[in-house]
Amino acid sequence: QMQLVQSGAEVKKPGASVKVSCKASGYTFTGYYMHWVRQAPGQGLEWMGWIIPKTGGTKYAQKFQGRVTMTRDRSIDTAYMELSSLRSDDTAIYYCARGPNSYWTDYWGQGSLVTVSS
Amino acid sequence: DIQMTQSPSTLSASVGDRVTITCRASQSISTWLAWYQQKPGKAPNLLIYRASSLESGVPSSFSGSGSGTEFTLTISSLQPDDFATYYCQQFYSYPWTFGQGTKVEIK
Repeated sequence: QMQLVQSGAEVKKPGASVKVSCKASGYTFTGYYMHWVRQAPGQGLEWMGWIIPKTGGTKYAQKFQGRVTMTRDRSIDTAYMELSSLRSDDTAIYYCARGPNSYWTDYWGQGSLVTVSS
Repeated sequence: DIQMTQSPSTLSASVGDRVTITCRASQSISTWLAWYQQKPGKAPNLLIYRASSLESGVPSSFSGSGSGTEFTLTISSLQPDDFATYYCQQFYSYPWTFGQGTKVEIK
């Protein structure tokens, strides 16, 4: 069955970087988009961007431009989201989410908690 | 950025009730809207896309309508499994943005 399995929780210091992985299985990795969405504790959802696993093409929300990098490794059906220059307000659950297109998402990973604290 | 505003923020209802959640966009987004359900500690789950298209596997008790700036998600008969938080999302203009959420609680 289809699965998106994300990497585990991370604790980072302000100014550091974090790289979250998302391993896909049960479907053709290159046939879909992969979006990244985050959710601060007790808060709503915030879209960060997407990557096209087939080509590596990306689209980032302007808010994260310059700090976020989305990549993929087609050989292991895994997508990555790296966020740099971390601040305390980057503390959130980071989700990868499969999209049939660049618009909506139809299946989400379990989430990866990133805590930024000195 | 397009701002999405949901109302109400919290809704108390009973099993069997008909429930309607409203989502308003700060500018016209045609029908470029999706609805998601999120339960505590879980990832969101797609319910509706393109404002009114029901995602495969989602109960037919869920329906979506609207276009332009005003949209509704309706649950025709609330079931125990439906108590959750619901989010709308626009994908008309980048960045894609979500509403703040509507929590449906047990009355």
